[in-house]
Amino acid sequence: DQQVKQNSPSLSVQEGRISILNCDYTNSMFDYFLWYKKYPAEGPTFLISISSIKDKNEDGRFTVFLNKSAKHLSLHIVPSQPGDSAVYFCAASNQAGTALIFGKGTTLSVSS
Amino acid sequence: GAVVSQHPSRVICKSGTSVKIECRSLDFQATTMFWYRQFPKQSLMLMATSNEGSKATYEQGVEKDKFLINHASLTLSTLTVTSAHPEDSSFYICSARGESGRMVYGYTFGSGTRLTVV
Repeated sequence: DQQVKQNSPSLSVQEGRISILNCDYTNSMFDYFLWYKKYPAEGPTFLISISSIKDKNEDGRFTVFLNKSAKHLSLHIVPSQPGDSAVYFCAASNQAGTALIFGKGTTLSVSS
Repeated sequence: GAVVSQHPSRVICKSGTSVKIECRSLDFQATTMFWYRQFPKQSLMLMATSNEGSKATYEQGVEKDKFLINHASLTLSTLTVTSAHPEDSSFYICSARGESGRMVYGYTFGSGTRLTVV
């Protein structure tokens, strides 16, 4: 049973527009959420995280929103750039430091 | 910042042989190491969790006798794929949690190892 779900396998966006990547989770014990960017044959690159005590965290062009009641989080990238094209993974854990559980990823393509 | 060095980045081995993958934390003490496997276009699947000096805890469905994990020091963890078969071909990634002085480092990933068994 998937505990972290990314239901959109792909997303195409034009340069300069907003990219919104979505993630749902089922485990109510999760209280720490992260987004990673990944290229083939490379390790994941950390983008941004959010703790369950917050509902929004912003870092430059990246903003993560958390809706605990809906068990849903989203990553907003604005403005999107061609260099943002990659696979984006949502991951979750609890603050006790257990392993990250990953979603299946969403492939973002940003066209110029 | 925290860095985890993973080697080799790519390895091709013959079926039936064993392959060792190393992950070193370069500037912090990795008290916990997580090992993941990723098949093409799939998610990163947790294989096992190891704490320094303790036996690894394997996820359901992962054979502990096939995937040997050693975490004997705070800076080095190894994953040995024993008697490798073509179905073991995958991308293996380590992730470390630890500390250095007063700094606590969360999930720092290695660059991954592409294993191909022929």
